[in-house]
Amino acid sequence: AQSVAQPEDQVNVAEGNPLTVKCTYSVSGNPYLFWYVQYPNRGLQFLLKYITGDNLVKGSYGFEAEFNKSQTSFHLKKPSALVSDSALYFCAVRAATDKLIFGTGTRLQVFP
Amino acid sequence: GAGVSQSPRYKVAKRGQDVALRCDPISGHVSLFWYQQALGQGPEFLTYFQNEAQLDKSGLPSDRFFAERPEGSVSTLKIQRTQQEDSAVYLCASSPPGEAAEAFFGQGTRLTVV
Repeated sequence: AQSVAQPEDQVNVAEGNPLTVKCTYSVSGNPYLFWYVQYPNRGLQFLLKYITGDNLVKGSYGFEAEFNKSQTSFHLKKPSALVSDSALYFCAVRAATDKLIFGTGTRLQVFP
Repeated sequence: GAGVSQSPRYKVAKRGQDVALRCDPISGHVSLFWYQQALGQGPEFLTYFQNEAQLDKSGLPSDRFFAERPEGSVSTLKIQRTQQEDSAVYLCASSPPGEAAEAFFGQGTRLTVV
């Protein structure tokens, strides 16, 4: 069965510092992996996806993610965090029937 | 509109009441999904349509939940005889044709059953 794990409930980082939000996955076959962000009282917004090709994927708002097949990970990164990046981040994997299977989410808190 | 639209944004229902939640997907998107998001949790899949065909309803928690998309556009999620455990945010998403196309989510309907 396909699944996604986000081991950290919360990540705290100072503004201007690099950030990493972790995600590991379990899937049979080639994974389609996604990152979404959720601001308070808002729907999920797409950040980036990995389908195939280059292991480093660049997305919206300066975010990027690194696909690592041997470690079955897809960590979200940003070189310099902003206070406005504070939100809830979800990693997801696409299952066979096109539905997304989400992790439990990681709350990112960026302090000024 | 430019995005996925859901209505109402908020719904308070008395236990035992029936509710209907509406989703207007992005024009041209053939795939439509419903998810349930409990407080502090990730979204959980409920059901999936491709045009008007409901291809996967494996996530619907009970037979009190029913979804339809009769003309392949607007979709309605109906919950009969609501119970307190149905309280959650219900998210609708649509995606265009194409393998691994990303899904676009609406703002959700927050259902509170009292």
